[in-house]
This record gives sequence, structure tokens and C-alpha cells, in this order.
Amino acid sequence: DTEVTQTPKHLVMGMTNKKSLKCEQHMGHRAMYWYKQKAKKPPELMFVYSYEKLSINESVPSRFSPECPNSSLLNLHLHALQPEDSALYLCASSQVDMGFSNQPQHFGDGTRLSIL
Amino acid sequence: DAKTTQPPSMDCAEGRAANLPCNHSTISGNEYVYWYRQIHSQGPQYIIHGLKNNETNEMASLIITEDRKSSTLILPHATLRDTAVYYCIVKIQGAQKLVFGQGTRLTINP
Repeated sequence: DTEVTQTPKHLVMGMTNKKSLKCEQHMGHRAMYWYKQKAKKPPELMFVYSYEKLSINESVPSRFSPECPNSSLLNLHLHALQPEDSALYLCASSQVDMGFSNQPQHFGDGTRLSIL
Repeated sequence: DAKTTQPPSMDCAEGRAANLPCNHSTISGNEYVYWYRQIHSQGPQYIIHGLKNNETNEMASLIITEDRKSSTLILPHATLRDTAVYYCIVKIQGAQKLVFGQGTRLTINP
């Protein structure tokens, strides 16, 4: 069991749909992360939030829009996705931004997204 | 981040110690070594991390060579549930992110 909770576990959507992925942690962590993982590949960082502010965007297309409404919650809003965006989307959190600490990130089990 | 090299796959018998190697010959003095694993259909699970001293926790031991150019993750009594992809990651001091390599696919055989 993980202390980072992601919903939904699975999502199927069309290319014209708008949907959101949700991530929640109650460990008091102040840094949160979104990763994308294609099949049989390692996770790749998308976004980093530190104290509810976006600190890293790894040149992610604008059809992915992150939001951090409070320190416990991280959303990823999806709009007009392409079939190649089908992947496992992972959320992680750490006590503080790993730029200031060596404490590890803790991951959720991800949302498996399929774009039709 | 310093590049890491891991064997793509390994096998280990159930009940034996699993020793997973990682080479990081370009590591700098302030870079930490992290180990994660990813069991099928789950997110990566943090195992252990260290700088230069050997580390042990309830899951595993991390042995880092004196020159810090390589490390070994030891699972002392492997079980079938330890079958997973194991990632060795070196993070530079001050970097905000972890960069995952290809990892080692460890299979525990009955």
C-alpha cells in the first residue's frame, strides 16, 4: 500500500474529451511530482511543484495542465490528448523539494490512461 | 545526474540473497545513490539511499565501494514478491529530480 493515492486507477478517454487525474498525500510533504511512464520504459519527469508553486515543467505540451490547489493535492488536467499520450501517469511526493533535501520521493500506483 | 549502468536482467533463487550491482563511475562527491523498485502494475517503491557509508533498513542493505564508483543492493532473503524492476539512481546535490535509467529486471525463482 502506498501513502500517495491516485484516482482514477484507469481512464479511457477520447481525443476531444477533458478529464483530470488526481493525486493526494497526507504525509505533510511540500513537494509533488508528475511522471509519465510508457510501457517497458522508465518513468520520465513531467512537472515539479514546491510549496504549491510550479518549479519545473519538462517542456510538457500544453494539453497537459497541472494544478496544485493545496499542499496535499495535485491535479493533472487533460485536454485534446493524442493516442501517443497513452501511458501510466505517476504522482510522487517528498518532504520538501529534492533540491533542498536528499529525502526520497514516494510514489503512488499511477493512473493508466488510454486515449482512443 | 551521474550515469548509472545496471545489468538488464538477473535471476535469483527464492530464499537466497539477491545482489544487484550498479556502476556509477562518474559520480561526484556530493551525489547520493537511490534505489527504487517497481513491481508490475505498481508505482516505484523507495528502497534505500546513501552517500558513502553502507546503509541498512528493513528492506535491504546498500553497499557503496570506497571510491563510490559502484554500489550493490542486497535483498538478504529474496521472496517471489521481490520480482520487480530495480532502479539505481544517482542524484546530484541540489537537483530537484530523479532521473530513472533502464533498471535491472530481477526474477526470483521458486
